[in-house]
Amino acid sequence: DAGVIQSPRHEVTEMGQEVTLRCKPISGHNSLFWYRQTMMRGLELLIYFNNNVPIDDSGMPEDRFSAKMPNASFSTLKIQPSEPRDSAVYFCASSTGGLASEQFFGPGTRLTVL
Amino acid sequence: AQTVTQSQPEMSVQEAETVTLSCTYDTSESDYYLFWYKQPPSRQMILVIRQEAYKQQNATENRFSVNFQKAAKSFSLKISDSQLGDAAMYFCAYRSAMANNDMRFGAGTRLTVKP
Repeated sequence: DAGVIQSPRHEVTEMGQEVTLRCKPISGHNSLFWYRQTMMRGLELLIYFNNNVPIDDSGMPEDRFSAKMPNASFSTLKIQPSEPRDSAVYFCASSTGGLASEQFFGPGTRLTVL
Repeated sequence: AQTVTQSQPEMSVQEAETVTLSCTYDTSESDYYLFWYKQPPSRQMILVIRQEAYKQQNATENRFSVNFQKAAKSFSLKISDSQLGDAAMYFCAYRSAMANNDMRFGAGTRLTVKP
């Protein structure tokens, strides 16, 4: 199994531009999570999906952030417009959904907004 | 809301020695799950060990073991016979046994292993 796949691995953009981060979860996993990691705030859960349905998006910072999961094998996190304070590493993780199941993390996307 | 506290921002250990990383959490729930994740410089988050709160026996995975003290809400990680490859950020995490899948992470402890 290839694990959780994220693209791109690195993204550098200018303030005001739209950014789209992509995630392919592990096949058979029905829960998907988006996290943001910064030095100041650590690892924060932004949103998670069960069976492609958003369950809790209370961690999404503001309306500039949106996430979709059109099918079981693909999810996107979009920032529009981007700001320098959005610079962080964004992780996608998936799990089978069982309470004791571990979350498998992707390699992360390092986003830099200039 | 549940919170997870890792009070040691940095720790160091001599190769082959033993080190313990601390984690405490705050919850009013009686059933939950606890995890330790490792994040090496590659950034990849890797599960090290997990503990179910209803189990009294401490979890063990090879050189990694936990000291789970439910009454004290403490969940420390012990690494025995430390190896250079153990150098990484270690995150403690809490997950409720309620219906949602939310997982709360601590701020992390950076472990350095000295040769």
